[in-house]
Amino acid sequence: GAVVSQHPSRVICKSGTSVKIECRSLDFQATTMFWYRQFPKKSLMLMATSNEGSKATYEQGVEKDKFLINHASLTLSTLTVTSAHPEDSSFYICSASTGAYGYTFGSGTRLTVV
Amino acid sequence: ELKVEQNPLFLSMQEGKNYTIYCNYSTTSDRLYWYRQDPGKSLESLFVLLSNGAVKQEGRLMASLDTKARLSTLHITAAVHDLSATYFCAGHTGTASKLTFGTGTRLQVTL
Repeated sequence: GAVVSQHPSRVICKSGTSVKIECRSLDFQATTMFWYRQFPKKSLMLMATSNEGSKATYEQGVEKDKFLINHASLTLSTLTVTSAHPEDSSFYICSASTGAYGYTFGSGTRLTVV
Repeated sequence: ELKVEQNPLFLSMQEGKNYTIYCNYSTTSDRLYWYRQDPGKSLESLFVLLSNGAVKQEGRLMASLDTKARLSTLHITAAVHDLSATYFCAGHTGTASKLTFGTGTRLQVTL
């Protein structure tokens, strides 16, 4: 089946630094990827929709300059959390559409900003 | 804007019992998804329901969709401990091609 590989699975960074999270579609081409954020014991909130070769579409309230999304190829989308602060600590999950009705999710990245 | 609500938010049930999780959505959704999430893990796809009256079953889980009532249910039959997880439903809006997740139901199956 379609697999989305997400790295790293865990990252701890210092406040003020930037962190990049990668999502790769391993056996299919993902023209669109979705980035979600999940707080502990909460639901998934869509942050942005990433389209290959064009600018990402951000959801209302998501800071474009803080969460930089790049989708430079049909198999790779990246999310960079810039100048991270403790309030950015969260679980980030990417997802890709895999056909007419399916979505597959990455394994998630636990970001802790200290 | 599509809004999706689930109830209950938390469900503690004994092994062997049956129960239903409800998922209501606010506007037209052309598909309804159910996912399972274990602690610290990502989402595992359970079902996708495409039309009114759709019913799908896998093991002890059965999902159904009533588009007129804007309601989907996830029925658990004779629960076992392994079913303990958080279950999310998600609606799909065709024009934006994105998923809107429900609040989640944390299921705890006790002996």
